[in-house]
Amino acid sequence: SAVISQKPSRDICQRGTSLTIQCQVDSQVTMMFWYRQQPGQSLTLIATANQGSEATYESGFVIDKFPISRPNLTFSTLTVSNMSPEDSSIYLCSVERGARMNTEAFFGQGTRLTVV
Amino acid sequence: GENVEQHPSTLSVQEGDSAVIKCTYSDSASNYFPWYKQELGKRPQLIIDIRSNVGEKKDQRIAVTLNKTAKHFSLHITETQPEDSAVYFCAAKERWEYGNKLVFGAGTILRVKS
Repeated sequence: SAVISQKPSRDICQRGTSLTIQCQVDSQVTMMFWYRQQPGQSLTLIATANQGSEATYESGFVIDKFPISRPNLTFSTLTVSNMSPEDSSIYLCSVERGARMNTEAFFGQGTRLTVV
Repeated sequence: GENVEQHPSTLSVQEGDSAVIKCTYSDSASNYFPWYKQELGKRPQLIIDIRSNVGEKKDQRIAVTLNKTAKHFSLHITETQPEDSAVYFCAAKERWEYGNKLVFGAGTILRVKS
C-alpha cells in the first residue's frame, strides 16, 4: 500500500487568489497524478508529475492555471491559480504501486476547495 | 484515447439483494480494470481489480467479470449490506506515451435500503 498525506484537507478562498496543495508520499514513486473531482462527478486527471521534468497536462488543463512542482520522488504540489467559483472542487493526488500496467492507484484524502 | 462508460448512474437495492454495475471501454489495448469505492467525504479505495488475462475474479461478496471481446466488465456485489452504500467507479488503464494512466467511468451511486 501507499500512505499519502495531502494538505490542506479543505479551504475556502477568495476569487482571484491562488492555493497550493501539497502531497507527501511515504516512499519514492516515479509518477504522481493530480485529479479533480467536481461535486457529484467522476475523477478527471489534471496532470502527471514526474520528478525532474515538466508535468504532462491533460486536454483542458494548462500549466498557467495549474502549475505543478515535483522537487523529489516523494513530494509534489499543485497550485490552483487565479481562482474562480468554477474551480470549487475536490483535488486529489494519487500514486501507483506495482509493475507496468498492473498497478494499484492510491489516493490522498483530497482537498475540498471552495472559491467564493 | 480511452473512453469508459458506466451504468447505471444510480442503483437502489434492498439489503440482501445483489447489485450489478457495468462498464464498457473503447481501447482494446487497455488491460487493467480496477473498481473503486468512494464513501461520502472519503478518498476512493480499490475494492477489486482484474487483468485482461482472466475472465473473472472474486473476493468474498464482490466479483468482477471481464469480456475482452465485447470490451465490457462488470462489478457484482452479492448479499448487499447498508455499508455497501457508496459511489463506485470503474476504470481502465490506458497505455500512453509517458506511461500508463487510469480513465474513470462516471460513477454509480449505490444505495442499499435496510
